[in-house]
Amino acid sequence: DVKVTQSSRYLVKRTGEKVFLECVQDMDHENMFWYRQDPGLGLRLIYFSYDVKMKEKGDIPEGYSVSREKKERFSLILESASTNQTSMYLCASSFRQWETQYFGPGTRLLVL
Amino acid sequence: AQSVAQPEDQVNVAEGNPLTVKCTYSVSGNPYLFWYVQYPNRGLQFLLKYITGDNLVKGSYGFEAEFNKSQTSFHLKKPSALVSDSALYFCAVRDASGGYQKVTFGTGTKLQVIP
Repeated sequence: DVKVTQSSRYLVKRTGEKVFLECVQDMDHENMFWYRQDPGLGLRLIYFSYDVKMKEKGDIPEGYSVSREKKERFSLILESASTNQTSMYLCASSFRQWETQYFGPGTRLLVL
Repeated sequence: AQSVAQPEDQVNVAEGNPLTVKCTYSVSGNPYLFWYVQYPNRGLQFLLKYITGDNLVKGSYGFEAEFNKSQTSFHLKKPSALVSDSALYFCAVRDASGGYQKVTFGTGTKLQVIP
């Protein structure tokens, strides 16, 4: 079974802090994704990566950056956390872009 | 631009009754269509997908979905609902044309199965 893990289930940070969310997948998938999930808005794509050191902006990249130094690991960085970044963050991976995505359990981030 | 609509925020159904969760989509070319389910405090789990071929797709946990190209719909169905089916369901679409195309998710439909 594919396993996607995220570094934290719950995180509380202060406004202005730099926040790192990490995601690791164990199936040698080419593609990795970061989404945020908000009630009534569904899932919105922040960034995705189709290869090591490659990244593409999604629908809502502002205020976020990403890093993919190794194939199995995809990090989401909030350079200066703000209260409007309080959300559930979901990481996913897939072998090919059109194929099934496998999701991690999510990180619920609260920015105070 | 591609889009997907789930017109119902919540669907209530009695246990044992058939259920339908609606999804309509818009893409410029042919679609790849997906259904995912999310249980409380969990990530999304894949249920089923339509890529090509038979319009009726069968998936996990007894769910199925019918691809209707003329109505641009991909409704999720199950003949007999279980209380354990209560969860949040997401429809997703991706344009089948080449290149680095993202998947667009709907806003989700909460399914409540009443004992």
